[in-house]
Order: sequence, then C-alpha cells, then structure tokens
Amino acid sequence: AQSVTQLGSHVSVSEGALVLLRCNYSSSVPPYLFWYVQYPNQGLQLLLKYTSAATLVKGINGFEAEFKKSETSFHLTKPSAHMSDAAEYFCAVSGTGNQFYFGTGTSLTVIP
Amino acid sequence: ETGVTQSPTHLIKTRGQQVTLRCSSQSGHNTVSWYQQALGQGPQFIFQYYREEENGRGNFPPRFSGLQFPNYSSELNVNALELDDSALYLCASSLVPGGRSTGELFFGEGSRLTVL
Repeated sequence: AQSVTQLGSHVSVSEGALVLLRCNYSSSVPPYLFWYVQYPNQGLQLLLKYTSAATLVKGINGFEAEFKKSETSFHLTKPSAHMSDAAEYFCAVSGTGNQFYFGTGTSLTVIP
Repeated sequence: ETGVTQSPTHLIKTRGQQVTLRCSSQSGHNTVSWYQQALGQGPQFIFQYYREEENGRGNFPPRFSGLQFPNYSSELNVNALELDDSALYLCASSLVPGGRSTGELFFGEGSRLTVL
C-alpha cells in the first residue's frame, strides 16, 4: 500500500526565508513521488516529480525536493520565499492501479 | 494546447438528487481520473478511465459512476446525493504509458458541489 504524511498543516515563513515543507511516504514498491501546488479556487499544478532518476529534483518556481530512501522522506524546499508562494502544497505518491495518493496538504503563508 | 476544462464550476443540490459533472481532457491525453477533495483535505481518488473503460477505482460506493467518451472527455455521475458529498471534484488527465503511472496529472479547476 502507498500513502504520504505531510507534517504540519500550516507553515509560516518570512519573505526571503527558507521554505521547508515535510513529506514522508510509505510504499510497498519503489515510489514515484510528486509535489503539487494549489492556489485558491484553482486546480492542482505539478511542482516537481521523482521517478527513480536523480534523488535531488528541481521543479518550477525555484522549488526542489530530495528523495531520501533511508528516511522515507521527500521534503520540499525553496531557499527564499516569495509572496507569490503562498498556497496549499500537496505531496503525492503514485500507487498501483495508476492512482495517486495525496497527503492532507500544507498551507504556506508568507509574511512580508 | 488546450488544458483540462470542467463544468459546471459551482452547483448546489439537495440530498437525494443526482448530479453529473463533465470534464474535457487535455489535448492528446487518453486517460481521465476523478478526485474528490473535501474541505481541508487532500484529493481522494474516485476512479480512472482509460480507453472508455474504468481502469482503477478508489474506496467510493457504486452510486459514484463515470463514463469516458471516444474523444476522451468524461463524466462523473453521483446518485442519491448525501451531505458528505459536498466537495470540490477534480478531473485530471494524463497520458498513461501502461503500468504504474510515472507521468504527471494535469488538473482542471474543479467543480464545487454543495449538497443541502
């Protein structure tokens, strides 16, 4: 079975500060992992994905994530937060049957 | 390139009624998935359609049903609506190469259903 756990439903950072959003996964098969972002009243947009190539994955808008098998983690980071980064972020794992399992989300607030 | 479009964007129904939600997939994508996102939660997989057949289903009762058409567009039907069915329903299209999906999902903006 596959699942993801996002630690921290709300994260606040100052503009220009490091963003760290945490995701741990559980998977009975080698996982394919994703981070999606959702802006208010919009659908989800892919930030980045890990599909067993390089463990450090770079995505859009300056985000990146590192796959750590020993820690079963796939945390999302960005060196310097921007006001436009305020949104809901979802970690997801692709499971058998082609379905994605999403975490409960982390709401990011950026303080000016 | 046309993205995923969903209709209607908002609708209100009463308990016991039926609803149909529609989705047009992104150009070139042959797979459509439906997800339910309750308030404050992550999306939950309802089912997926590939080549007009159901290709995987989540833990949802049979009153949730769907269709995929030859042009790859899709419908989600929900019968006997319950209050807990109030949610944002997201459609996502993808090009599945077969087997476990490594590809991304392209989401529409969703249909927000309120059941009174």
